Amino acid sequence: ETGVTQTPRHLVMGMTNKKSLKCEQHLGHNAMYWYKQSAKKPLELMFVYSLEERVENNSVPSRFSPECPNSSHLFLHLHTLQPEDSALYLCASSQDLERNEQFFGPGTRLTVL
Amino acid sequence: GQNIDQPTEMTATEGAIVQINCTYQTSGFNGLFWYQQHAGEAPTFLSYNVLDGLEEKGRFSSFLSRSKGYSYLLLKELQMKDSASYLCACMDSNYQLIWGAGTKLIIKP
Repeated sequence: ETGVTQTPRHLVMGMTNKKSLKCEQHLGHNAMYWYKQSAKKPLELMFVYSLEERVENNSVPSRFSPECPNSSHLFLHLHTLQPEDSALYLCASSQDLERNEQFFGPGTRLTVL
Repeated sequence: GQNIDQPTEMTATEGAIVQINCTYQTSGFNGLFWYQQHAGEAPTFLSYNVLDGLEEKGRFSSFLSRSKGYSYLLLKELQMKDSASYLCACMDSNYQLIWGAGTKLIIKP
């Protein structure tokens, strides 16, 4: 138990569906991250938030839309995804950007049909 | 460009020692991390090095040479539960983590 929770743990969706992934951290951290993990590839950083403001967007397609309503919650809204978007989506948090020991949630295994 | 290299897979015997190497090229350097990830689970933090030298933490040690762009993770007295992927990651000048693809470690009895 890392103090970071994610829901749902598994998600199957069609290409025309809209869904959202939720992340919550109970650690009092100021920075939160979304990563994509595909088999045998490095973790891909998608979005970084620090104190609820987006810091980094690594050229992620607009079909992925993040939302950070407060420092404890992070969402990833999904819309018209492609089969190649199927992957494990990991949320992480750290005390702040500079103190970057990241604590990961268990991930959401996403399958796009 | 930024790049992290580590072996794809390694095999070792229970009770033995294994060293997992990582080489890196990043824009600036603010430290190197090792994470462990069991199949189907989240990565968990193992170690952080920012200065040259060896950091020991129980059965696990991590070494860093900044001049060589090189690190290794040393696992002693291997146990079956150490079977996992080990991820090397460097923090660049923007405090972003650049990740390697991970080394899958297989422990045999």
